[in-house]
Amino acid sequence: NAGVTQTPKFQVLKTGQSMTLQCAQDMNHNSMYWYRQDPGMGLRLIYYSASEGTTDKGEVPNGYNVSRLNKREFSLRLESAAPSQTSVYFCASRVGTGKGNSLAKNIQYFGAGTRLSVL
Amino acid sequence: GENVEQHPSTLSVQEGDSAVIKCTYSDSASNYFPWYKQELGKRPQLIIDIRSNVGEKKDQRIAVTLNKTAKHFSLHITETQPEDSAVYFCAACTSGTYKYIFGTGTRLKVLA
Repeated sequence: NAGVTQTPKFQVLKTGQSMTLQCAQDMNHNSMYWYRQDPGMGLRLIYYSASEGTTDKGEVPNGYNVSRLNKREFSLRLESAAPSQTSVYFCASRVGTGKGNSLAKNIQYFGAGTRLSVL
Repeated sequence: GENVEQHPSTLSVQEGDSAVIKCTYSDSASNYFPWYKQELGKRPQLIIDIRSNVGEKKDQRIAVTLNKTAKHFSLHITETQPEDSAVYFCAACTSGTYKYIFGTGTRLKVLA
């Protein structure tokens, strides 16, 4: 049981290049999230997927697209990277819905992060 | 839009003293409030959480209090130890929205 797995761990891009950050969870969670973390700004939500087949914008969606490929996988794509997208990206998941302890269903579990630099 | 304010941004305490971090949320419909600890270079990890139908929750040296009327909640760490040094984030979540709004974090330093 690996939890939430993100790839790659590190990436350097040139301005204008594209790339996809991968995220997979093996906990059978319904909801998945992408955040970016910048110094002094906490975790800001980029996109989330409440359940398989749905995606919604968060606080800072501009310049990003997402795909909920299946229940396990939620990818984040940068079509044309910009220096302002230099950040640490975290994927997270949670149970979200269904039977069970209501407090436990709310807990988010985070991946190890992807450190992205755009030159 | 919704936001969560967190204070202070940095906090230094002597080992053995208590530390208190405070958060204020704007959405009165928020009903779940987790606290995460993030060590340098690591992922955020949940340390304690509380729902809006409870005013206080304690887990060993860590406690969270919630004041729904004032829309603020606080993290209390007693008998601090050097391994408590990290960045702490609060968050607020509203049932049915699936969105979490995080505070900007508090860097806690416990001085030996």
